Amino acid sequence: QQPVQSPQAVILREGEDAVINCSSSKALYSVHWYRQKHGEAPVFLMILLKGGEQKGHDKISASFNEKKQQSSLYLTASQLSYSGTYFCGTESTGNQFYFGTGTSLTVIP
Amino acid sequence: NAGVTQTPKFRVLKTGQSMTLLCAQDMNHEYMYWYRQDPGMGLRLIHYSVGEGTTAKGEVPDGYNVSRLKKQNFLLGLESAAPSQTSVYFCASSYWEGVNSPLHFGNGTRLTVT
Repeated sequence: QQPVQSPQAVILREGEDAVINCSSSKALYSVHWYRQKHGEAPVFLMILLKGGEQKGHDKISASFNEKKQQSSLYLTASQLSYSGTYFCGTESTGNQFYFGTGTSLTVIP
Repeated sequence: NAGVTQTPKFRVLKTGQSMTLLCAQDMNHEYMYWYRQDPGMGLRLIHYSVGEGTTAKGEVPDGYNVSRLKKQNFLLGLESAAPSQTSVYFCASSYWEGVNSPLHFGNGTRLTVT
């Protein structure tokens, strides 16, 4: 039931861009994105609903392709503060909310 | 505004012991969830509740029980702890179903079973 994320880990230099992908084998109603810093709780970034919308949050944006059951998170001109583990979360049916296995992002100077 | 509060923050159990993790939220949220987080496994749903008096199983419910007697509280019980239950446990809540309602997380409980 867990969505699949790729890549598992990525290392960037400040200012570089990254894309994190999330795919599901089940039909999706929405996709959430969260970021978790080491030793802390996950923090909500954004929700994307059916309709193929894109959203932005500072220099972090995301898209949702419901036909492909995929979402991508785009991090532009990365900053040190972007480091952490990024999770996508999906709800398909039955009120169950599942998270992907996470993508570890490290931004170095 | 406290948000979602989990107690305790740390706990060490011996195999076979029991314990209850408490989650409390003050946001009047209907939905509450318990997840466990293990390295490389992400967050896995244990049990969830869609309202006071209701509970349902998630993807890894074995060895755990839950109760939601009051809307603001969601309890996770381990009746006979096993080393495989060593993990970080997160509680989360949302106002409504997750389609368009963000999850708010507690700070986690780190449980070690020896």
